[in-house]
Amino acid sequence: QSALTQPPSASGSPGQSVTISCTGTSSDVGGYNYVSWYQQHPGKAPKLMIYDVNKRPSGVPDRFSGSKSGNTASLTVSGLQAEDEADYYCCSYAGSNSRPYVFGTGTKVTVL
Amino acid sequence: EVQLVESGGGLVQPGGSLRLSCAASGFTFSNYWMHWVRQAPGKGLVWVSRIRSDGSMTNYADSVKGRFTISRDNAKNTLQLQMNSLRAEDTAVYYCVREGAYADFDYWGQGTLVTVSS
Repeated sequence: QSALTQPPSASGSPGQSVTISCTGTSSDVGGYNYVSWYQQHPGKAPKLMIYDVNKRPSGVPDRFSGSKSGNTASLTVSGLQAEDEADYYCCSYAGSNSRPYVFGTGTKVTVL
Repeated sequence: EVQLVESGGGLVQPGGSLRLSCAASGFTFSNYWMHWVRQAPGKGLVWVSRIRSDGSMTNYADSVKGRFTISRDNAKNTLQLQMNSLRAEDTAVYYCVREGAYADFDYWGQGTLVTVSS
């Protein structure tokens, strides 16, 4: 049961953009349009930032956007701000009863 | 306001048992699938288990199948996770999570720490 693959780290200066990739297979990311992204600050619970590949919940800044191509999903944070420094996890629906959801390995975003 | 509040974590010896609870409020609990997701110290998120809104269907990750049991009481708006035969690798923060309309996890509890150690 492999996790989705994310880069361990990403960084950018304030105001710049950073894009995080999330690579799976045709059984998860590529097979369903149910990719979500979560932001987690140290010691805190994860927070939903993107759902359904590219939709933002109410209250999430439009600086956060999502996309998907084939077996790879991406999260872009534009206009980086200090409070965006956090861990980010992707998640995909995977369909099977013993593995209905699979998370990514996580990416630490640093604002330089 | 949606709230999910976990309790029941603590230190337990290998082979022991622990029962986690999650008290839900601010939404119609009986309308939603609920999940447990865990995070080992310094590690990533891992899906553990889910239960259908009416409690009629449950699923488990292979790593906990046969040892963990998820259940719910819709009259009391509570979710439980009974954990038996605990192992060191079960050490983690356990989150109670609500499933949203698009196969996402839209609300998370604050988590409860389970430590399995002798």
